[in-house]
Amino acid sequence: DAKTTQPNSMESNEEEPVHLPCNHSTISGTDYIHWYRQLPSQGPEYVIHGLTSNVNNRMASLAIAEDRKSSTLILHRATLRDAAVYYCILRSTGNQFYFGTGTSLTVIP
Amino acid sequence: ETGVTQSPTHLIKTRGQQVTLRCSSQSGHNTVSWYQQALGQGPQFIFQYYREEENGRGNFPPRFSGLQFPNYSSELNVNALELDDSALYLCASSPGGVAGGQETQYFGPGTRLLVL
Repeated sequence: DAKTTQPNSMESNEEEPVHLPCNHSTISGTDYIHWYRQLPSQGPEYVIHGLTSNVNNRMASLAIAEDRKSSTLILHRATLRDAAVYYCILRSTGNQFYFGTGTSLTVIP
Repeated sequence: ETGVTQSPTHLIKTRGQQVTLRCSSQSGHNTVSWYQQALGQGPQFIFQYYREEENGRGNFPPRFSGLQFPNYSSELNVNALELDDSALYLCASSPGGVAGGQETQYFGPGTRLLVL
């Protein structure tokens, strides 16, 4: 599975949108882009995934660049409960998730 | 629907001892993966079990071993514990049979192991 690059940390004000970037320049055609988050003292939690088209669910939106070499997780209105480490992961046919170190999101009240 | 559960929540062992960690997968899931998460790092894949057979292994020595039972629950065993084995151990289950890269994993809360 290919590697991803994310900023170590980001801050957002409560109630504001948050855009979490991820670079994956070596992505292959069969790689799905997954996002998980890990709240303090909990296991990772699935957020969203996609292949080529932008995706929306109740938690977030995923915007995928046309060349698929980058993607952005969008939280439309950050709440204090969204403070977590966010991981961007590429998955193809292998059975491993390569988590990296993720982006630690701080939400400021 | 019951989520993924792990036991115990915390454990303290001394160097050289052996430890067994347990995981109950989510109802209907036949695949279990184990991860080690050191402080400040992302989870690292240890191995995966699918229908009671090992189905892939990360870069961990043979003293890390596992089992999956007919009810798809799982154990992680670590022999000859070392100080660097201190970490959060995460179990994740998935339904299996999902094509390609779409598989979603559901994680338990983890077992925190401290080796003294």
